Amino acid sequence: SAVISQKPSRDICQRGTSLTIQCQVDSQVTMMFWYRQQPGQSLTLIATANQGSEATYESGFVIDKFPISRPNLTFSTLTVSNLSPEDSSIYLCSVSQGLSTEAFFGQGTRLTVV
Amino acid sequence: TQLLEQSPQFLSIQEGENLTVYCNSSSVFSSLQWYRQEPGEGPVLLVTVVTGGEVKKLKRLTFQFGDARKDSSLHITAAQPGDTGLYLCAGAGKAAGNKLTFGGGTRVLVKP
Repeated sequence: SAVISQKPSRDICQRGTSLTIQCQVDSQVTMMFWYRQQPGQSLTLIATANQGSEATYESGFVIDKFPISRPNLTFSTLTVSNLSPEDSSIYLCSVSQGLSTEAFFGQGTRLTVV
Repeated sequence: TQLLEQSPQFLSIQEGENLTVYCNSSSVFSSLQWYRQEPGEGPVLLVTVVTGGEVKKLKRLTFQFGDARKDSSLHITAAQPGDTGLYLCAGAGKAAGNKLTFGGGTRVLVKP
């Protein structure tokens, strides 16, 4: 399994600003993903972070709103731009290795937009 | 689009009771996973089932994959307060690469 460090763990942001979330893994991993989760509810995949190329976004999520970087095999960032109260949620980074679909998650970032 | 429906959405039981959570789909999955998530933490993988009809046991937890690989169940025997959490099933389809489809989640509360 991989150890994933995600930060910040929580933040309160003003509407109209942006928040960048970092995800650092203790080993090289093949796949990195970003999810959104309302507290107590299920996970919605935002995008797959691709190393060295543009992320692959799921339906309903766009690069302008959720720019993602992945400069190497151990690190990725998700930015939530032009924040509105509807963006208040938990954002989770996850990784998987090789052909395995088993996912390991960071502890999440709880974002509150005021 | 592959969808996974979990039921029930919420379970509140007394310590020592048994419980079962169901995960159903009309789609076939190449594998299915169960995760448990506690407040303030990310989901933690409990088990992966890959073969139709497979049964796996993890101490007091029993996981079953349906014969047609469209559904799964999680049974907890003699639940303890430490079993409290959000249980999520997630399916992997062959066409989806490494992407997982998550069920809606079941919140389990075990009262002492």
